[in-house]
Amino acid sequence: DSGVTQTPKHLITATGQRVTLRCSPRSGDLSVYWYQQSLDQGLQFLIQYYNGEERAKGNILERFSAQQFPDLHSELNLSSLELGDSALYFCASSVAWGAANEQFFGPGTRLTVL
Amino acid sequence: TQLLEQSPQFLSIQEGENLTVYCNSSSVFSSLQWYRQEPGEGPVLLVTVVTGGEVKKLKRLTFQFGDARKDSSLHITAAQPGDTGLYLCAGDFLRVGNQFYFGTGTSLTVIP
Repeated sequence: DSGVTQTPKHLITATGQRVTLRCSPRSGDLSVYWYQQSLDQGLQFLIQYYNGEERAKGNILERFSAQQFPDLHSELNLSSLELGDSALYFCASSVAWGAANEQFFGPGTRLTVL
Repeated sequence: TQLLEQSPQFLSIQEGENLTVYCNSSSVFSSLQWYRQEPGEGPVLLVTVVTGGEVKKLKRLTFQFGDARKDSSLHITAAQPGDTGLYLCAGDFLRVGNQFYFGTGTSLTVIP
C-alpha cells in the first residue's frame, strides 16, 4: 500500500460524457502527478501540481483538466469522452516537486468508454 | 516519438537465468528512475540514479547510469518468478523542464 488513494477503481461510461477522478496523496506529500496508461501509448505524464499550483504540463488534452485543492487532494476531469480515452489513470504523489523525488503511485482508476 | 526507448519489449526466461534491460535516449537526463509494475497496480520505484557512471545495487538487481547520462541498464542476476512484471525507466530531461517521461517498458516473465 503506497498511501495514495484513488477513487473510483473502475468507471464505465459512454462517449460524450464527463467524469471526475479523485486522488488523495500520501500524508505529507505536497506534489501530485497524473498519468494515463494505455496499451499503445504506455505511461504518459499528464500534469503535475505542487501545493495547489500547476507545476508541469505534459500531453494533456484540452478536454482534460485538473486541480489540487487546499487539502491537497486532486481531481482529474475528463470531458467529451472518446473511445480512445479508455485507459488506466494513475495518480502519484511526492514530498517535493522535483522529478528526482520518489513518486508513490496509487492503484489507478480504470476508465472504460463505450 | 518516444524520448525513452526500452529494450527488449518482451522477455521470457527460465528461473535462475540472468538478464539485462536497456533504457536509451538521444537526450541527456537530469535524473533517471527505474520502476516495476505488476498487473492491476501502480508502478513502484526501485531506484533513482543521478550521477553519470553511477552503479547501484538492490539485492540481485544492478542499475547502471551511462557516463553521458543518456542511457541506463538494469541487470537481474538469477531471476526468480517474483521478478515477473513490467519494468519501466523514467526520467526528466535538462531541456524539457520539469516534465517526467516514462519509457516504453519491458515486460518480463520468469518461468519457474
